[in-house]
Amino acid sequence: EVQLVESGGGLVQPGGSLRLSCVASGFTFSTYWMHWVRQTSGKGLVWVSRINSAGTGTTYADSVKGRFTISRDNAKNTLYLQMNSLRVEDTAVYYCARVLNASSWYDPTLFDLWGQGTLVTVSS
Amino acid sequence: EVVLTQSPVTLSLSPGERATLSCRASQSVSSYLAWYQQKPGQAPRLLIFDASKRATGIPPRFSGSGSGTDFTLIISTLEPEDFAVYYCQQRSNWPSTFGQGTRLEIK
Repeated sequence: EVQLVESGGGLVQPGGSLRLSCVASGFTFSTYWMHWVRQTSGKGLVWVSRINSAGTGTTYADSVKGRFTISRDNAKNTLYLQMNSLRVEDTAVYYCARVLNASSWYDPTLFDLWGQGTLVTVSS
Repeated sequence: EVVLTQSPVTLSLSPGERATLSCRASQSVSSYLAWYQQKPGQAPRLLIFDASKRATGIPPRFSGSGSGTDFTLIISTLEPEDFAVYYCQQRSNWPSTFGQGTRLEIK
């Protein structure tokens, strides 16, 4: 079955860290750019970060730049999001998402496969 | 950053009726506009991309139109499973942004 399964969310205090994981199955993970998108009830869906298929290129939203690090292990079919210096406003459901078309050089930034989401709560 | 404004916020209709949802961009996004459907407890599902192209497996009752700053998603004949929240997304300007959503509820 083609799917993405996230894990790693939880409750953390402000200033703390968490690492999210997203395990892919049923498709050739190493040929797709991957993204993280978060969702809150207040701000809706917000793009967070992306990584190219090889794992050599990354981009971040200004709101998380310098605090979050996206990475991937293509041998393990796994995407990661290391989140440091967490803030209350980082509280959200975090989704990993696959782009529509496999490519080593082009990111369509359209998401045809999403994980089930993992909840991150930052609170004291 | 491109701001996408969706209207109405809530749309109350009955099964069998036609739904018209709007998405307006704060600046031109050409045709790089997508629509997603999200049901409670589920991840978003891609319906339409590049303003009018249906994603794989999406029934023909879903159609999209528009270019530049004004876009429309039409559901021609509502089925019970269509009641959900719909989001638009632009990928013309970095970073990609989403609208705040339109909730389509059963009247």
